[in-house]
Amino acid sequence: GNSVTQMEGPVTLSEEAFLTINCTYTATGYPSLFWYVQYPGEGLQLLLKATKADDKGSNKGFEATYRKETTSFHLEKGSVQVSDSAVYFCALSDLQGGYNKLIFGAGTRLAVHP
Amino acid sequence: DTGVSQDPRHKITKRGQNVTFRCDPISEHNRLYWYRQTLGQGPEFLTYFQNEAQLEKSRLLSDRFSAERPKGSFSTLEIQRTEQGDSAMYLCASSNYPAGSNEQFFGPGTRLTVL
Repeated sequence: GNSVTQMEGPVTLSEEAFLTINCTYTATGYPSLFWYVQYPGEGLQLLLKATKADDKGSNKGFEATYRKETTSFHLEKGSVQVSDSAVYFCALSDLQGGYNKLIFGAGTRLAVHP
Repeated sequence: DTGVSQDPRHKITKRGQNVTFRCDPISEHNRLYWYRQTLGQGPEFLTYFQNEAQLEKSRLLSDRFSAERPKGSFSTLEIQRTEQGDSAMYLCASSNYPAGSNEQFFGPGTRLTVL
């Protein structure tokens, strides 16, 4: 079945460091791909998305490119801030059955220190 | 637009008791989803409604779980005879199909603790 695998955390970085969180997926068909972020004490928020191969999603300095050939959707940011500390979830939209339940990875906790 | 709301935010109950959670989706959204998130894991799909019709239930949703969306607006999720393994965060999300069909907006969740 469809699945998402993320790099294990926690990821600990100093402010202004470069961030990469790896995400790979297994899916039949052509799913949409998402990154959600969960800040402490808050609900999941959509960070960015890509709906087809080679699309790049971007938001708040974060980017991810839908790579069909490597089945990957890695999250990157050039310079992280303390306020980026959160748990990041990669997800795909399962289009089987004609609707779009989301399948999530286990999440990667990011801690950014001053 | 106040977003997706869930009530209560926290629920502590004793094993064997019944609990009910409520989700109010974004007003124009016709799709509503329930997910469960256990500690250290990503959310897992439980069930899905389009308007008032429940179109799929995950195998994770045992017979002790029931969900309704009687008028196609708010939804309730009931767990009967709770077990310690039911302790988790229960998340609700909504979306508008076909416009924005791939974007789900999540509520803050209801954290259930079964003692």
